[in-house]
Amino acid sequence: SQTIHQWPATLVQPVGSPLSLECTVEGTSNPNLYWYRQAAGRGLQLLFYSVGIGQISSEVPQNLSASRPQDRQFILSSKKLLLSDSGFYLCAWSPGTVNTEAFFGQGTRLTVV
Amino acid sequence: DAKTTQPPSMDCAEGRAANLPCNHSTISGNEYVYWYRQIHSQGPQYIIHGLKNNETNEMASLIITEDRKSSTLILPHATLRDTAVYYCIVMDTNAGKSTFGDGTTLTVKP
Repeated sequence: SQTIHQWPATLVQPVGSPLSLECTVEGTSNPNLYWYRQAAGRGLQLLFYSVGIGQISSEVPQNLSASRPQDRQFILSSKKLLLSDSGFYLCAWSPGTVNTEAFFGQGTRLTVV
Repeated sequence: DAKTTQPPSMDCAEGRAANLPCNHSTISGNEYVYWYRQIHSQGPQYIIHGLKNNETNEMASLIITEDRKSSTLILPHATLRDTAVYYCIVMDTNAGKSTFGDGTTLTVKP
């Protein structure tokens, strides 16, 4: 069966420090991968998605970047965190076919102090 | 992707049916209606989806109007564990490429 792993679960980082969140998927190949951010009490905002290795699409301009160095690995990064980067970050994957659902990781709660 | 409109909150008595509405008046012909739910501080969980026919699975039923401009998620016998935020979204071929609105916070009360 397919599983998605996202870590760490919680993270407290100072302003100006770098960030690296990692997400890996097991049990499938060539998945579509996504990074979402969720502000407290709000819905999910799509940040990046990828349909293949090295293929990254950004949905909103921001202080973050994403990379996909391997087929089932998706990394969210920042060189210098801002206070406004605080939030709940979720990684998700879906099969690259029509009429299928997306599967979410358990999220990383990032607090920038 | 089309946008959706949901009531911000709803209450339901335990054991009763919970009917959660969603408006998606700008949905296009190739877009599916998906429902997810999110329990506090966890990742969203897929519930059900459909194109134009009503759908049922072990978790819920999805009723889509004939004009596809709205839908209703039905939890037939709500339990306290169904308390969560429920998101209705519409998507075409890229199943995860969507922005989730603020959803409906369903509170199931004993």
